[in-house]
Amino acid sequence: EVQLVESGGGLVQPGGSLRLSCAASGFTFSRYWMSWVRQAPGKGLEWVANIRQDGSEKYYMDSVKGRFTISRDNAKNSLYLQMNSLRVEDTAVYYCARRAALFPINIHYYYMDVWGKGTTVTVSS
Amino acid sequence: QSALTQPRSVSGSPGQSVTISCTGTSSDVGGYNYVSWYQQHPGKAPKLMIYDVSKRPSGVPDHFSGSKSGNTASLTISGLQAEDEADYYCCSYAGSYTYVFGTGTKVTVL
Repeated sequence: EVQLVESGGGLVQPGGSLRLSCAASGFTFSRYWMSWVRQAPGKGLEWVANIRQDGSEKYYMDSVKGRFTISRDNAKNSLYLQMNSLRVEDTAVYYCARRAALFPINIHYYYMDVWGKGTTVTVSS
Repeated sequence: QSALTQPRSVSGSPGQSVTISCTGTSSDVGGYNYVSWYQQHPGKAPKLMIYDVSKRPSGVPDHFSGSKSGNTASLTISGLQAEDEADYYCCSYAGSYTYVFGTGTKVTVL
């Protein structure tokens, strides 16, 4: 079964740091672009960052540039999000998501086809 | 990276059709045929319903359909069913490997 499981969320004070993890299973993780998407309480979805298969390219939404770092370890089938200088407005459920692709023809699509259940980050004093 | 604009809510009776609009700009919705739609039930992860404007993944009921005209994409739910009650989000590729989501629409089945 294709699955993504996030972990690492919790309560942190403003200015603090947190590292989120996403464990992938049921597919060849190293073949796919991966993303983080968040959802503040009672609000909509917000794309945060994504990373190329080999980790050589990373892209971020403007408000997290310089504070968040997306990374991956293909040997461990894991995706990470290092969050520093956290702000109250970063409070959200963070989802790990897979960018759709078709193999063996190696076409990468512009949507996310597999999502985890999310991990909750609360930034509060 | 401004969110795409969706109506806050739409409603309909069982069997009726509802349409959700998703308005962006020429830098996102209007610039690419890469609009996707996600359904989200309370406390659950998003589920892909439509991709590439109008394509349905296998397993998604055929009473869901998508379209686009200019800078506005639309999701139509025909033959509304009780289980369709959920929040719906559009998402568009916005160039340079970035994405933008819509503000979200709550669909209520009366």
